[in-house]
Amino acid sequence: QQQVKQSPQSLIVQKGGISIINCAYENTAFDYFPWYQQFPGKGPALLIAIRPDVSEKKEGRFTISFNKSAKQFSLHIMDSQPGDSATYFCAASIEADKLIFGTGTRLQVFP
Amino acid sequence: DAGITQSPRHKVTETGTPVTLRCHQTENHRYMYWYRQDPGHGLRLIHYSYGVKDTDKGEVSDGYSVSRSKTEDFLLTLESATSSQTSVYFCAITAGAENGYTFGSGTRLTVV
Repeated sequence: QQQVKQSPQSLIVQKGGISIINCAYENTAFDYFPWYQQFPGKGPALLIAIRPDVSEKKEGRFTISFNKSAKQFSLHIMDSQPGDSATYFCAASIEADKLIFGTGTRLQVFP
Repeated sequence: DAGITQSPRHKVTETGTPVTLRCHQTENHRYMYWYRQDPGHGLRLIHYSYGVKDTDKGEVSDGYSVSRSKTEDFLLTLESATSSQTSVYFCAITAGAENGYTFGSGTRLTVV
Protein backbone atom coordinates (compact mmCIF):
# COMPACT_ATOMS: atom_id res chain seq x y z
CA GLN A 1 0.00 0.00 0.00
CA GLN A 2 1.52 3.26 -1.15
CA GLN A 3 1.35 5.68 1.77
CA VAL A 4 2.49 8.62 -0.34
CA LYS A 5 1.05 8.91 -3.84
CA GLN A 6 2.81 11.15 -6.34
CA SER A 7 1.72 12.44 -9.73
CA PRO A 8 2.42 12.87 -12.54
CA GLN A 9 5.00 10.22 -13.32
CA SER A 10 6.59 12.49 -15.90
CA LEU A 11 6.28 16.14 -16.82
CA ILE A 12 7.46 18.19 -19.77
CA VAL A 13 7.58 21.96 -19.39
CA GLN A 14 8.82 24.80 -21.55
CA LYS A 15 11.56 27.04 -20.22
CA GLY A 16 10.02 29.80 -18.15
CA GLY A 17 6.88 27.83 -17.39
CA ILE A 18 5.53 26.55 -14.09
CA SER A 19 6.12 22.93 -13.09
CA ILE A 20 3.62 21.44 -10.64
CA ILE A 21 4.01 18.07 -8.93
CA ASN A 22 1.39 16.72 -6.55
CA CYS A 23 1.46 14.32 -3.63
CA ALA A 24 -1.19 12.86 -1.37
CA TYR A 25 -0.70 11.03 1.90
CA GLU A 26 -2.84 8.82 4.11
CA ASN A 27 -1.33 8.85 7.57
CA THR A 28 -2.56 11.88 9.51
CA ALA A 29 0.31 11.41 11.98
CA PHE A 30 2.80 12.58 9.35
CA ASP A 31 4.22 15.94 10.38
CA TYR A 32 7.15 16.53 8.03
CA PHE A 33 6.93 16.80 4.23
CA PRO A 34 10.14 17.28 2.25
CA TRP A 35 10.85 17.34 -1.46
CA TYR A 36 14.03 15.84 -2.87
CA GLN A 37 15.69 16.46 -6.23
CA GLN A 38 17.75 13.77 -7.95
CA PHE A 39 20.03 14.11 -10.97
CA PRO A 40 21.09 11.05 -12.98
CA GLY A 41 23.79 9.03 -11.25
CA LYS A 42 23.45 10.97 -8.01
CA GLY A 43 21.66 10.49 -4.74
CA PRO A 44 18.59 12.59 -3.94
CA ALA A 45 19.20 15.98 -2.31
CA LEU A 46 16.87 17.93 -0.06
CA LEU A 47 15.17 20.76 -1.93
CA ILE A 48 12.60 22.19 0.46
CA ALA A 49 10.46 20.94 3.34
CA ILE A 50 7.31 21.98 5.18
CA ARG A 51 5.53 21.27 8.44
CA PRO A 52 1.72 21.04 8.56
CA ASP A 53 1.32 24.18 10.64
CA VAL A 54 1.87 26.35 7.56
CA SER A 55 0.06 26.28 4.22
CA GLU A 56 2.91 27.47 2.04
CA LYS A 57 6.68 27.73 2.06
CA LYS A 58 8.77 29.44 -0.57
CA GLU A 59 12.49 29.23 -1.26
CA GLY A 60 13.56 31.05 -4.37
CA ARG A 61 11.70 29.61 -7.36
CA PHE A 62 10.48 26.60 -5.36
CA THR A 63 7.23 26.65 -3.37
CA ILE A 64 5.47 23.96 -1.36
CA SER A 65 1.71 24.30 -0.99
CA PHE A 66 0.15 22.25 1.78
CA ASN A 67 -3.52 21.35 2.30
CA LYS A 68 -3.91 19.56 5.60
CA SER A 69 -7.63 18.87 5.30
CA ALA A 70 -7.19 17.26 1.87
CA LYS A 71 -3.98 15.50 2.93
CA GLN A 72 -2.22 16.84 -0.14
CA PHE A 73 0.88 18.86 -0.84
CA SER A 74 2.50 20.06 -4.02
CA LEU A 75 5.74 21.46 -5.38
CA HIS A 76 5.64 24.45 -7.70
CA ILE A 77 8.73 25.41 -9.70
CA MET A 78 8.37 28.90 -11.09
CA ASP A 79 10.26 30.06 -14.18
CA SER A 80 11.41 26.50 -14.84
CA GLN A 81 14.91 26.17 -16.30
CA PRO A 82 16.64 23.36 -18.23
CA GLY A 83 18.88 22.90 -15.18
CA ASP A 84 15.78 21.92 -13.20
CA SER A 85 15.46 18.79 -15.33
CA ALA A 86 15.68 15.99 -12.76
CA THR A 87 13.57 13.50 -10.88
CA TYR A 88 11.63 14.89 -7.93
CA PHE A 89 10.44 12.90 -4.96
CA CYS A 90 7.99 13.95 -2.30
CA ALA A 91 8.20 12.29 1.08
CA ALA A 92 6.48 12.22 4.43
CA SER A 93 7.36 11.12 7.92
CA ILE A 94 6.79 11.51 11.60
CA GLU A 95 9.36 13.80 13.19
CA ALA A 96 11.57 13.76 10.08
CA ASP A 97 12.52 10.11 10.69
CA LYS A 98 12.19 7.09 8.37
CA LEU A 99 11.07 9.05 5.34
CA ILE A 100 8.42 7.43 3.13
CA PHE A 101 8.91 8.50 -0.46
CA GLY A 102 6.56 8.92 -3.38
CA THR A 103 7.27 7.14 -6.65
CA GLY A 104 8.97 10.13 -8.27
CA THR A 105 8.32 12.55 -11.11
CA ARG A 106 10.72 12.96 -13.99
CA LEU A 107 10.75 16.60 -15.04
CA GLN A 108 12.10 17.71 -18.39
CA VAL A 109 12.39 21.42 -19.13
CA PHE A 110 12.94 22.28 -22.78
CA PRO A 111 14.45 25.57 -23.97
CA ASP B 1 28.40 13.51 -1.57
CA ALA B 2 30.66 15.08 0.98
CA GLY B 3 30.80 13.13 4.22
CA ILE B 4 29.21 9.94 2.96
CA THR B 5 30.61 7.32 0.61
CA GLN B 6 29.20 4.05 -0.64
CA SER B 7 31.16 1.10 -1.92
CA PRO B 8 31.23 -0.49 -4.34
CA ARG B 9 29.58 1.84 -6.88
CA HIS B 10 28.71 -1.04 -9.17
CA LYS B 11 28.52 -4.77 -8.62
CA VAL B 12 27.38 -7.78 -10.60
CA THR B 13 26.85 -10.95 -8.63
CA GLU B 14 25.34 -14.37 -9.12
CA THR B 15 22.10 -15.62 -7.66
CA GLY B 16 22.58 -17.27 -4.30
CA THR B 17 25.80 -15.51 -3.34
CA PRO B 18 26.09 -13.21 -0.32
CA VAL B 19 26.80 -9.56 -0.99
CA THR B 20 27.80 -6.77 1.39
CA LEU B 21 27.43 -3.08 0.61
CA ARG B 22 29.21 -0.50 2.69
CA CYS B 23 28.21 2.97 3.76
CA HIS B 24 30.86 5.13 5.40
CA GLN B 25 30.28 8.58 6.89
CA THR B 26 32.62 11.17 8.32
CA GLU B 27 29.90 13.40 9.81
CA ASN B 28 29.50 11.48 13.08
CA HIS B 29 25.73 11.41 12.54
CA ARG B 30 23.70 9.12 14.68
CA TYR B 31 21.03 8.22 12.13
CA MET B 32 21.74 6.05 9.09
CA TYR B 33 19.39 4.45 6.57
CA TRP B 34 19.48 2.03 3.67
CA TYR B 35 17.02 2.51 0.80
CA ARG B 36 16.56 0.77 -2.50
CA GLN B 37 15.40 2.64 -5.59
CA ASP B 38 13.38 0.90 -8.29
CA PRO B 39 11.38 2.36 -11.20
CA GLY B 40 7.77 2.86 -10.23
CA HIS B 41 8.50 2.39 -6.53
CA GLY B 42 10.56 5.40 -5.60
CA LEU B 43 12.82 4.82 -2.62
CA ARG B 44 11.87 2.19 -0.09
CA LEU B 45 13.39 1.81 3.35
CA ILE B 46 15.25 -1.46 3.96
CA HIS B 47 16.86 -0.98 7.39
CA TYR B 48 17.85 1.88 9.62
CA SER B 49 20.10 2.58 12.58
CA TYR B 50 19.95 5.03 15.46
CA GLY B 51 23.44 4.25 16.69
CA VAL B 52 26.05 1.55 17.22
CA LYS B 53 24.37 -1.85 17.44
CA ASP B 54 20.94 -0.16 17.31
CA THR B 55 19.26 -1.24 14.08
CA ASP B 56 15.76 -2.06 12.96
CA LYS B 57 13.77 -3.23 9.95
CA GLY B 58 12.16 -1.01 7.39
CA GLU B 59 9.44 -1.57 4.84
CA VAL B 60 11.30 -4.08 2.62
CA SER B 61 13.74 -5.87 4.93
CA ASP B 62 13.18 -9.49 3.86
CA GLY B 63 16.43 -10.99 2.53
CA TYR B 64 18.57 -8.22 4.00
CA SER B 65 20.53 -7.78 7.20
CA VAL B 66 22.57 -4.88 8.55
CA SER B 67 25.30 -4.24 11.02
CA ARG B 68 26.67 -1.13 12.67
CA SER B 69 29.67 -1.80 14.86
CA LYS B 70 31.06 1.73 14.49
CA THR B 71 29.30 5.06 14.20
CA GLU B 72 30.82 5.70 10.80
CA ASP B 73 29.99 2.39 9.08
CA PHE B 74 26.63 0.86 8.20
CA LEU B 75 26.80 -2.41 6.29
CA LEU B 76 23.98 -3.93 4.26
CA THR B 77 24.18 -7.66 3.53
CA LEU B 78 22.13 -9.63 1.05
CA GLU B 79 22.32 -13.03 2.58
CA SER B 80 21.60 -14.94 -0.63
CA ALA B 81 21.14 -12.59 -3.56
CA THR B 82 18.10 -12.99 -5.82
CA SER B 83 17.23 -11.33 -9.12
CA SER B 84 14.51 -9.33 -7.35
CA GLN B 85 17.27 -7.59 -5.40
CA THR B 86 18.69 -6.06 -8.55
CA SER B 87 18.39 -2.39 -7.72
CA VAL B 88 20.16 0.83 -6.88
CA TYR B 89 20.93 1.02 -3.18
CA PHE B 90 21.28 4.31 -1.36
CA CYS B 91 22.59 5.03 2.07
CA ALA B 92 21.47 8.18 3.86
CA ILE B 93 22.58 9.96 7.01
CA THR B 94 21.09 12.74 9.05
CA ALA B 95 21.79 14.66 12.21
CA GLY B 96 18.08 14.41 12.92
CA ALA B 97 15.02 16.64 12.93
CA GLU B 98 14.82 18.89 9.87
CA ASN B 99 18.45 18.77 8.80
CA GLY B 100 17.38 16.58 5.92
CA TYR B 101 18.94 13.39 4.71
CA THR B 102 22.28 13.38 2.93
CA PHE B 103 22.38 10.54 0.45
CA GLY B 104 25.39 8.72 -0.89
CA SER B 105 25.92 8.32 -4.62
CA GLY B 106 24.42 4.85 -4.61
CA THR B 107 25.46 1.29 -5.46
CA ARG B 108 24.06 -0.27 -8.61
CA LEU B 109 23.68 -3.98 -7.92
CA THR B 110 22.84 -6.50 -10.62
CA VAL B 111 22.02 -10.08 -9.66
CA VAL B 112 22.32 -12.51 -12.57
